[in-house]
Amino acid sequence: GENVEQHPSTLSVQEGDSAVIKCTYSDSASNYFPWYKQELGKGPQLIIDIRSNVGEKKDQRIAVTLNKTAKHFSLHITETQPEDSAVYFCAARVSGTYKYIFGTGTRLKVLA
Amino acid sequence: NAGVTQTPKFRILKIGQSMTLQCTQDMNHNYMYWYRQDPGMGLKLIYYSVGAGITDKGEVPNGYNVSRSTTEDFPLRLELAAPSQTSVYFCASSPNPTSGGAKNIQYFGAGTRLSVL
Repeated sequence: GENVEQHPSTLSVQEGDSAVIKCTYSDSASNYFPWYKQELGKGPQLIIDIRSNVGEKKDQRIAVTLNKTAKHFSLHITETQPEDSAVYFCAARVSGTYKYIFGTGTRLKVLA
Repeated sequence: NAGVTQTPKFRILKIGQSMTLQCTQDMNHNYMYWYRQDPGMGLKLIYYSVGAGITDKGEVPNGYNVSRSTTEDFPLRLELAAPSQTSVYFCASSPNPTSGGAKNIQYFGAGTRLSVL
């Protein structure tokens, strides 16, 4: 079945440095890839998304890149701040449905 | 602006007991989802619904049932609770897809933490 792999599982960076989280998907027909941020005790919240007809999308300090040929997409956070500390999930929409397969999450710690 | 509301926030069940996790949304979204989140395992889809009266299985439906009698409510039923159902459960909703049918933002509730002992 469809699968999404996410790496790394934990990531620690110094405040001000960049963080990169990578995901690989198996369904070559997937066409929509959201990223979610989950703070402690809360539900996931969408932070950025990308469709398969776009290679890169930016929103202030965050960006997502997509390589359809290699079937992987990445989240980039620049100038990290302590409030960026959270668990981040990638997801891929299952083609022909509105179901999503999620990655296993990355716990990001931004050290002040 | 309530969004997606889940109740209860916490619950402890004994093996074999039953319960219903409630989920309601006030955004008039047609699509609703139930996920479970186990440590280090991400979110697994249990059931989803594309509108009132329509439900379908996700990745891990065994041991659960759902109903969708109204647009607002999407309760998840556990009939015979088992320790394997100890998890955090999230409900989500989304509007009809936009941007050519691809974009489909999900809004999540705060979760229900369930322990089965």
